[in-house]
Amino acid sequence: DTEVTQTPKHLVMGMTNKKSLKCEQHMGHRAMYWYKQKAKKPPELMFVYSYEKLSINESVPSRFSPECPNSSLLNLHLHALQPEDSALYLCASSHVVRGRRNQPQHFGDGTRLSIL
Amino acid sequence: AQTVTQSQPEMSVQEAETVTLSCTYDTSESDYYLFWYKQPPSRQMILVIRQEAYKQQNATENRFSVNFQKAAKSFSLKISDSQLGDAAMYFCAYRSLAGGTSYGKLTFGQGTILTVHP
Repeated sequence: DTEVTQTPKHLVMGMTNKKSLKCEQHMGHRAMYWYKQKAKKPPELMFVYSYEKLSINESVPSRFSPECPNSSLLNLHLHALQPEDSALYLCASSHVVRGRRNQPQHFGDGTRLSIL
Repeated sequence: AQTVTQSQPEMSVQEAETVTLSCTYDTSESDYYLFWYKQPPSRQMILVIRQEAYKQQNATENRFSVNFQKAAKSFSLKISDSQLGDAAMYFCAYRSLAGGTSYGKLTFGQGTILTVHP
């Protein structure tokens, strides 16, 4: 069982729809990540939150809007997406520990998103 | 910017045999971390093994071990006694320590699809 839970597992939406992806972890991790992964390709980092504040935005289009309402929850709000945004969206989390720098990321199962 | 190269798009191995997956990387940094992640068809990325660049000793985790050659910037993964459950896509990943934080961006290789034959 994964310790990072993502919902929904699958999502089909039209280009004019608004939807949200949800990610939850209860491991006490204070860094959370969104990745986009196309089929048979490596994940590409989109956003990183540390202590509920956005710390990295990899020049992601504004139609993707992340939100970290508390230390356990990470959302990705979607609006006016394009067909090329169809992909697997992975959430990950890791500890933020002063003086201990090697904190591996734990991934969820992902949300498979299809844009019609 | 760092780059990670996995030169083997696909590999296959017989059950119970040993297989080695290759990974090279390019960096000007002296301190960094390297990881191997496994992604089965179930989609979840699972950490297999990690290596701190300042450690000369190669990391091992049960049937998984690495051959870390810092000067050659090489980080290969050896899977011993391969099992059917090892079939997956394997990604090599690099994490820079620039910025001094314990979190940050992973740079992934393109991945190697491993097939295990019974």
